[in-house]
Amino acid sequence: TQLLEQSPQFLSIQEGENLTVYCNSSSVFSSLQWYRQEPGEGPVLLVTVVTGGEVKKLKRLTFQFGDARKDSSLHITAAQPGDTGLYLCAGEVGGTSYGKLTFGQGTILTVHP
Amino acid sequence: NAGVTQTPKFQVLKTGQSMTLQCAQDMNHEYMSWYRQDPGMGLRLIHYSVGAGITDQGEVPNGYNVSRSTTEDFPLRLLSAAPSQTSVYFCASSPAYLSYEQYFGPGTRLTVT
Repeated sequence: TQLLEQSPQFLSIQEGENLTVYCNSSSVFSSLQWYRQEPGEGPVLLVTVVTGGEVKKLKRLTFQFGDARKDSSLHITAAQPGDTGLYLCAGEVGGTSYGKLTFGQGTILTVHP
Repeated sequence: NAGVTQTPKFQVLKTGQSMTLQCAQDMNHEYMSWYRQDPGMGLRLIHYSVGAGITDQGEVPNGYNVSRSTTEDFPLRLLSAAPSQTSVYFCASSPAYLSYEQYFGPGTRLTVT
């Protein structure tokens, strides 16, 4: 059973559209991260959220951490082909130290020109 | 800084063979970890280390050994390769004071026949 459920698993959209990716769990996370991974490379950290209700913006990307710290969302405005990639959420459960992370299964995003 | 480096990039093994995947980081990070990535499964933690001489098991440790004799290096040993170990392996490091910020290597693609 996946501790972190991401949806949708696949997303194929046209350039300029908006999209939202969800990351849900029944567990409470002390922090939650979003990574982006391109083919043949390792994941790269986009953002970390630690406070319930927190909203962070990174250019056209908006990240939100749920009030109860059990879920998160990633919203991309006016998607571009360069946004294409695998998006992964990862959570640190229950305040354990040293970044022992649990990953969601990922969302593969394809943005067509 | 080279960041996190992994060798080899690709490897093919026969069932029953053993090998070591190398991982090194030059950022003086205390925390290092090994993940495997399989389609639709996200990343799963194999083993991790919170410092030289200290290692612990992650979610899927069976069939793998690790050691941490220096801060810089964290090799992963496959004792007797099985087809179920066909995967992409990622090493990551993190500074202890920012436990949720993980830096990933480029990965090793392993095929066991």
